[in-house]
Amino acid sequence: EAQVTQNPRYLITVTGKKLTVTCSQNMNHEYMSWYRQDPGLGLRQIYYSMNVEVTDKGDVPEGYKVSRKEKRNFPLILESPSPNQTSLYFCASSRTGNNQPQHFGDGTRLSIL
Amino acid sequence: GDSVTQMEGPVTLSEEAFLTINCTYTATGYPSLFWYVQYPGEGLQLLLKATKADDKGSNKGFEATYRKETTSFHLEKGSVQVSDSAVYFCALKDSSASKIIFGSGTRLSIRP
Repeated sequence: EAQVTQNPRYLITVTGKKLTVTCSQNMNHEYMSWYRQDPGLGLRQIYYSMNVEVTDKGDVPEGYKVSRKEKRNFPLILESPSPNQTSLYFCASSRTGNNQPQHFGDGTRLSIL
Repeated sequence: GDSVTQMEGPVTLSEEAFLTINCTYTATGYPSLFWYVQYPGEGLQLLLKATKADDKGSNKGFEATYRKETTSFHLEKGSVQVSDSAVYFCALKDSSASKIIFGSGTRLSIRP
């Protein structure tokens, strides 16, 4: 089954404790992206990757890191999480081309205390 | 920069009512436009898309037409069902196929 898999689905942690949210896709997509969803703000793009070893900032990259060492994986790293990063996070992937829709994971709800 | 503006929700309708959710955009070049739907506890799913001016996207009774002259991509459905209750997002993908911009989402509730 074609899918984007995120882990964990839920996480409660404390300020300053490094965490990683993993994302994996099995569709051989070149493009991958991370978003955060906050009430009233919709989805905002954090980082995206057009292919392996190529990453770029989206609209809200501060406080986040990503890497793309393999085509299928695109982890999101919070080196020193803060409460304002409490949010619902989505990973997505697609083929390249501006007419290609995104395929989304089920989301990761992060709470930073 | 590019942006997407959606009508604010929540929108509450009775079953079989006509639905319109407005979406307008600003973008340089020729973006592709999308509507996504999010059911409770799930990720977003593609509902429909249009990739050039005057294209009409359609799926599951929903339609939207890419109007370059009014920079709009309004979502419509002739007769909504309770199962259509969800959050709807309008989005654009820019000409370079790199950045993706979403609207703020519109929550739709359908009463039986």
